[in-house]
Amino acid sequence: KAGVTQTPRYLIKTRGQQVTLSCSPISGHRSVSWYQQTPGQGLQFLFEYFSETQRNKGNFPGRFSGRQFSNSRSEMNVSTLELGDSALYLCASSSGTREATDTQYFGPGTRLTVL
Amino acid sequence: AQSVTQLGSHVSVSEGALVLLRCNYSSSVPPYLFWYVQYPNQGLQLLLKYTSAATLVKGINGFEAEFKKSETSFHLTKPSAHMSDAAEYFCAVSSTGRRALTFGSGTRLQVQP
Repeated sequence: KAGVTQTPRYLIKTRGQQVTLSCSPISGHRSVSWYQQTPGQGLQFLFEYFSETQRNKGNFPGRFSGRQFSNSRSEMNVSTLELGDSALYLCASSSGTREATDTQYFGPGTRLTVL
Repeated sequence: AQSVTQLGSHVSVSEGALVLLRCNYSSSVPPYLFWYVQYPNQGLQLLLKYTSAATLVKGINGFEAEFKKSETSFHLTKPSAHMSDAAEYFCAVSSTGRRALTFGSGTRLQVQP
């Protein structure tokens, strides 16, 4: 089975721009979660989508948004980029059958640099 | 609210020595606990997880962890370190009704030849 894929792997943007990151989950998985990883704040949960609906949301400003399509692929969008948005953005997919105990399978991440 | 604390941001061991990475959790509800490993420029890979079935959990690559409720701990161990174990390790917690993981700050494991 193919793993979680994220595109693009690297991205450079300037302050004020917006960016869209894409995640394709493992085939058959219905839940996709997004995490931000930075040296200062570590790994932080952004949001989770299940069957095209946002199920949980972390403590991030409204500039961070996401969506999930009927084929379970997900995108996250960051508008009005700030320097502090520079991070590794990780997508994780899970089957969606057991909520808290589901294993989350992570993609390689998209490294976003904001100049 | 739930949180995890990983003691020691860097741990160095000799090849063949015991690996012990510490994780303590705080949760107002029964926790589910995970250990993930991250190699450079890669995503996270699950090593093992505690889902209340058994307190001693065996994972991949010879790692295991023991859930101790009285100590609110879930330390990761491996009897004999290999050079390939050098990576960053994250402890994480979730709770009933939420798939979202709360991660610790990570421990970078260095293995000396």
